[in-house]
Amino acid sequence: AQSVTQPDIHITVSEGASLELRCNYSYGATPYLFWYVQSPGQGLQLLLKYFSGDTLVQGIKGFEAEFKRSQSSFNLRKPSVHWSDAAEYFCAVGGNNAGNMLTFGGGTRLMVKP
Amino acid sequence: EADIYQTPRYLVIGTGKKITLECSQTMGHDKMYWYQQDPGMELHLIHYSYGVNSTEKGDLSSESTVSRIRTEHFPLTLESARPSHTSQYLCASSGFHEQYFGPGTRLTVT
Repeated sequence: AQSVTQPDIHITVSEGASLELRCNYSYGATPYLFWYVQSPGQGLQLLLKYFSGDTLVQGIKGFEAEFKRSQSSFNLRKPSVHWSDAAEYFCAVGGNNAGNMLTFGGGTRLMVKP
Repeated sequence: EADIYQTPRYLVIGTGKKITLECSQTMGHDKMYWYQQDPGMELHLIHYSYGVNSTEKGDLSSESTVSRIRTEHFPLTLESARPSHTSQYLCASSGFHEQYFGPGTRLTVT
């Protein structure tokens, strides 16, 4: 069975500091990996995705993520956090399945200190 | 990016009422989904559809029902709302592998 673990429920960083959000997955085949961001009261917005190829993927809003197969990880990074990045972040794993089904992690809430 | 719409955005309703949450997408995606999410919590898949006339139940048992008569439309219905149905409901669609989400409907049943 597939699963996604986001070990950090809450993270607080200072504005301008770097950020890394952790994501570990379990999947029996080649995974497709995603990061989504959710602002309060809103739906999820796709930040970036990994299907194959270059293991470092760039997304919107200055985010990037690195796929490490040996560690079953897909950590999200940003070199300099802005106050507007405060939100909930979800990692998800899927695969080449008929329903494009995704398994989501429990989320990490990011707070940004001024 | 997909355009996917949900109405209403917020709904406060009394116990026992019948409600329908609307979800529409303009991208022609075959696959659509409904998730339930309590505030600050993870997403739970409650229904999905592979296309017109296809509906399946998700991982989380739900008293709601769905229909898929048109590709672009995937409404969710609760025949008799109860306080335990209070939650946020997110609709999504998928054309390739990623899912695109609507803004959600926050439902409060009093």
